[in-house]
Amino acid sequence: AQSVSQHNHHVILSEAASLELGCNYSYGGTVNLFWYVQYPGQHLQLLLKYFSGDPLVKGIKGFEAEFIKSKFSFNLRKPSVQWSDTAEYFCAVFNDYKLSFGAGTTVTVRA
Amino acid sequence: DTAVSQTPKYLVTQMGNDKSIKCEQNLGHDTMYWYKQDSKKFLKIMFSYNNKELIINETVPNRFSPKSPDKAHLNLHINSLELGDSAVYFCASSKQGRSYEQYFGPGTRLTVT
Repeated sequence: AQSVSQHNHHVILSEAASLELGCNYSYGGTVNLFWYVQYPGQHLQLLLKYFSGDPLVKGIKGFEAEFIKSKFSFNLRKPSVQWSDTAEYFCAVFNDYKLSFGAGTTVTVRA
Repeated sequence: DTAVSQTPKYLVTQMGNDKSIKCEQNLGHDTMYWYKQDSKKFLKIMFSYNNKELIINETVPNRFSPKSPDKAHLNLHINSLELGDSAVYFCASSKQGRSYEQYFGPGTRLTVT
């Protein structure tokens, strides 16, 4: 069975700080990888996705993620966060016709 | 212009009751899903329907019964509600052949007292 691990449960940082959220998955075959964001009181929105090709993918709102196959990782980064980035971030893997989500990381950005 | 909508947004009910949550999508998608997000924000798929046919049924108690009257609707009926059913339920949809690209609804927060 597919599993997705997110290393950080809660990250607190100040505006303009850099953000990196870890994500590892267990499946060894071809995977499609995603990061979703859930702003307070809102539904999940797709931040970015990786299917193939360039392992460094750029998403919306200045986010990017790097796929490292040898490490089974797909870490999310943003060089300089804003207060509006306060949200829950979910890593997900698509395999066997379904999305499997990690437990999520709560990111709190202090002004 | 809401792509995936759910009703109600909030639902508070007592143990033992039966309730339904409705989901509608106007994206022309063929596949719809129900996810449960627990109090720890863990999000897990429950069901998936493609063209009104059940294709994914995770280990969910049979008190939960999805119903898809047409491609644009996937409702979730829950019988004999229990405290542990309290969660946020998200509906999602995707185009056939693009199940990896899912669009989520706003969620329904169910509280069982």
